[in-house]
Amino acid sequence: GQQLNQSPQSMFIQEGEDVSMNCTSSSIFNTWLWYKQDPGEGPVLLIALYKAGELTSNGRLTAQFGITRKDSFLNISASIPSDVGIYFCAGQPAEYGNKLVFGAGTILRVKS
Amino acid sequence: DTGVSQDPRHKITKRGQNVTFRCDPISEHNRLYWYRQTLGQGPEFLTYFQNEAQLEKSRLLSDRFSAERPKGSFSTLEIQRTEQGDSAMYLCASSLGRHPQHFGDGTRLSIL
Repeated sequence: GQQLNQSPQSMFIQEGEDVSMNCTSSSIFNTWLWYKQDPGEGPVLLIALYKAGELTSNGRLTAQFGITRKDSFLNISASIPSDVGIYFCAGQPAEYGNKLVFGAGTILRVKS
Repeated sequence: DTGVSQDPRHKITKRGQNVTFRCDPISEHNRLYWYRQTLGQGPEFLTYFQNEAQLEKSRLLSDRFSAERPKGSFSTLEIQRTEQGDSAMYLCASSLGRHPQHFGDGTRLSIL
């Protein structure tokens, strides 16, 4: 089946630092989404990307839809303690447009 | 603004018992999805409804699993003859057409 390779697996950074994480796939995706999940809760949508090359911001978060449609990255600027959590990329495959395929997540820890 | 609601939040049961989970989507959303998430992994797609019609099912959905959405509003996911490997978080999501999916906080199932 389709897989998304998400990296890094985990990050432990100093408060105020910028963070970058990415996802790659061997398949083409029509949509890329980034979610954040806190313990015991469901994923919360952060950013949605719909076109190759698209760059979208949401506050301190910026994400891009790769030009090949096979990758995406998420940047978080000036991290704060509440950024702690697990970040997931998710893609809607070009041939199966209804389900989402998720990466394994990036665990973000912030030292204050 | 009411999000996706799932009930119960936690379920502990003995192996071999049947369990049923309920999902109430965001009110105007016509699409409803079920995912399963195990520790350290991203959610995996199980099945998808458009209104009351179940349009797609994953290979992960064995014949012990059944999902319904009888009136195109709430949905139920039933697992018969539960096994140890069924222990997971079961997440429900909903969307309006092809717009991004919004998730509930899940039902955590533990099999004794």
